[in-house]
Amino acid sequence: KAGVTQTPRYLIKTRGQQVTLSCSPISGHRSVSWYQQTPGQGLQFLFEYFSETQRNKGNFPGRFSGRQFSNSRSEMNVSTLELGDSALYLCASRSQGGGGDEQYFGPGTRLTVT
Amino acid sequence: AQSVTQLGSHVSVSEGALVLLRCNYSSSVPPYLFWYVQYPNQGLQLLLKYTSAATLVKGINGFEAEFKKSETSFHLTKPSAHMSDAAEYFCAVSANYGGSQGNLIFGKGTKLSVKP
Repeated sequence: KAGVTQTPRYLIKTRGQQVTLSCSPISGHRSVSWYQQTPGQGLQFLFEYFSETQRNKGNFPGRFSGRQFSNSRSEMNVSTLELGDSALYLCASRSQGGGGDEQYFGPGTRLTVT
Repeated sequence: AQSVTQLGSHVSVSEGALVLLRCNYSSSVPPYLFWYVQYPNQGLQLLLKYTSAATLVKGINGFEAEFKKSETSFHLTKPSAHMSDAAEYFCAVSANYGGSQGNLIFGKGTKLSVKP
């Protein structure tokens, strides 16, 4: 099976712009979660989608949003980018979304905001 | 609320020596616990997970971890370090029931260096 794929791998944006990141889960997986990784804050949960519905949300401002399509692919959007949004954004998929299910991570999208 | 504390942001061992990476958790409900490894410019790879089936969990690449409820710990060990083990290791916890199940709460990570 192919792993989790994320596009693009690298992105440079200017403050105030918006950005959309894409994640394709492992085939058959219905749950997709997004995490932000920064040197200062570490790995933080953004949100989880399951069967096209947002099931859980972390403590991030409303500028961060996401969606999931019927084929389980997911996108996350960040509007009005700030310098502090520079981070590695990781997507993870799992089959059903139970707490003990393994989450399989993609390689991440490195976002740099200038 | 759940949380994870990893003691030691950097650990250095010699090749062939024991690897011990420490993780303590806090959870008001029975937890699921995970160890992930991250190599430079890559995503996270699952090493092992605890889901209450057995307290000693064996993972990939010779790693194992022991769940100790009395100590609220889930330390990661490997008897003999290899150069290829140099990476950053993350301990994570998630709830095993309730609305937040599946959200992974990560520790700050421990960078492991292996000296020849």
